[in-house]
Amino acid sequence: DAMVIQNPRYQVTQFGKPVTLSCSQTLNHNVMYWYQQKSSQAPKLLFHYYDKDFNNEADTPDNFQSRRPNTSFCFLDIRSPGLGDAAMYLCATSSRPSTDTQYFGPGTRLTVL
Amino acid sequence: DAKTTQPTSMDCAEGRAANLPCNHSTISGNEYVYWYRQIHSQGPQYIIHGLKNNETNEMASLIITEDRKSSTLILPHATLRDTAVYYCIVSLGFGNEKLTFGTGTRLTIIP
Repeated sequence: DAMVIQNPRYQVTQFGKPVTLSCSQTLNHNVMYWYQQKSSQAPKLLFHYYDKDFNNEADTPDNFQSRRPNTSFCFLDIRSPGLGDAAMYLCATSSRPSTDTQYFGPGTRLTVL
Repeated sequence: DAKTTQPTSMDCAEGRAANLPCNHSTISGNEYVYWYRQIHSQGPQYIIHGLKNNETNEMASLIITEDRKSSTLILPHATLRDTAVYYCIVSLGFGNEKLTFGTGTRLTIIP
C-alpha cells in the first residue's frame, strides 16, 4: 500500500547531540511537511517542501533544518537538541494542486536525555 | 486562517451516532472545513472536508450550516476504534498548504 513511512518510530538522543529523523513516501506527492507535536498538544507545522522549494514557518527555531534529496525522502535535522525538543515529529504529504488533503506518517517520538 | 472552537471532550455509546460540533464564526467565503482525527500514538488521519454543501464518505458525514459559521461531524455508528482526538480545521484548501490544528475534541466511545 502507498504510504508515508517514518524511521525510526522511537529515537533517543543526548542533550546537544545532533539527530536526524527520516520520512519516505510512496505516494509520489510533491509536498512534504514536518510537524512537531508535544505531549497533550496539537501538531504544529515546522516547515514544508513544495517540490524542491523550502518553506519555513516564521517561528520555527534555527535549530531545526530539513533536507529533501528527492521526491520520496525528507529529513528533519535537529542540530543541538534541547530538553524542550522532546516531542512526536510527524511527517505528512500532499499532492498539489489536485488536493490539499494531507497524509500523515505514524510519527517518530524523540526523547532527549 | 479562521479559528475554530470545539468542546474539549465528549463521550458516546458504542453503536450510537457521534456528533462532534465545531464553531468557525470567522470563516471566509473561500475557506474549507477539514476534519482530521488522531488515534493515540498515531499520526493524524484525514476524515472529510467541505466548503458549503454537506458531504458524506465512507467514514463520516459533514453538516455545514447555511451561514457556514459552524459544522458538525457525524460518525453514524461509533465503534471503540473511533476513540480519538478529532480536529476541526479551517483552511484555504486549494492552493494553501498549511493546516493549523486547534485543541480538538477528545471523543471516547463507551462500550
